[in-house]
Amino acid sequence: ETGVTQTPRHLVMGMTNKKSLKCEQHLGHNAMYWYKQSAKKPLELMFVYSLEERVENNSVPSRFSPECPNSSHLFLHLHTLQPEDSALYLCASSPWTGGEYNEQFFGPGTRLTVL
Amino acid sequence: GQNIDQPTEMTATEGAIVQINCTYQTSGFNGLFWYQQHAGEAPTFLSYNVLDGLEEKGRFSSFLSRSKGYSYLLLKELQMKDSASYLCAVMDSNYQLIWGAGTKLIIKP
Repeated sequence: ETGVTQTPRHLVMGMTNKKSLKCEQHLGHNAMYWYKQSAKKPLELMFVYSLEERVENNSVPSRFSPECPNSSHLFLHLHTLQPEDSALYLCASSPWTGGEYNEQFFGPGTRLTVL
Repeated sequence: GQNIDQPTEMTATEGAIVQINCTYQTSGFNGLFWYQQHAGEAPTFLSYNVLDGLEEKGRFSSFLSRSKGYSYLLLKELQMKDSASYLCAVMDSNYQLIWGAGTKLIIKP
């Protein structure tokens, strides 16, 4: 595997379910990100991890819980979601946080539908 | 507040040239990125501008004017595979990327 991978690619869940999204990067990067992408809206940064420590949390509801066990893996744990949480969830990685020319590499995303 | 504006949708003809504009108002500036995103796929990096002027990379060029808070992405010799969304993003003073909503480009034969 190369680049950034995400599983599952598609997920349908009820509002009472608990599920997890997984992201893995094979690029040797030190920073990883979770984004939410809704139709016709800008990408919303949810969480940033640098060297496995969370450095950014843009006021995301507590029903989203991130976990970064090491610099290559990132999880997003979901519980008691709402229908408005239906969106494409993108994972990205970069060499570091901060600094110029910090190109982010994206995974293909998980298309989440909450019923 | 911070804001990135770009047109929602544009249509162009195969073989032609199209310019996608992006204007921004951010707290600080540490560079501007353009990404391409095909439907159902990951965004992929196209270009990065931090100094004023034009950066050319094959059929794609990106221009930046920091004084005007303005950038454009120029696509030449359009091909059907260029049909995608084009995302403009600015890195602010905290090195956080602020994203536009994207421009959906439709290429017609």
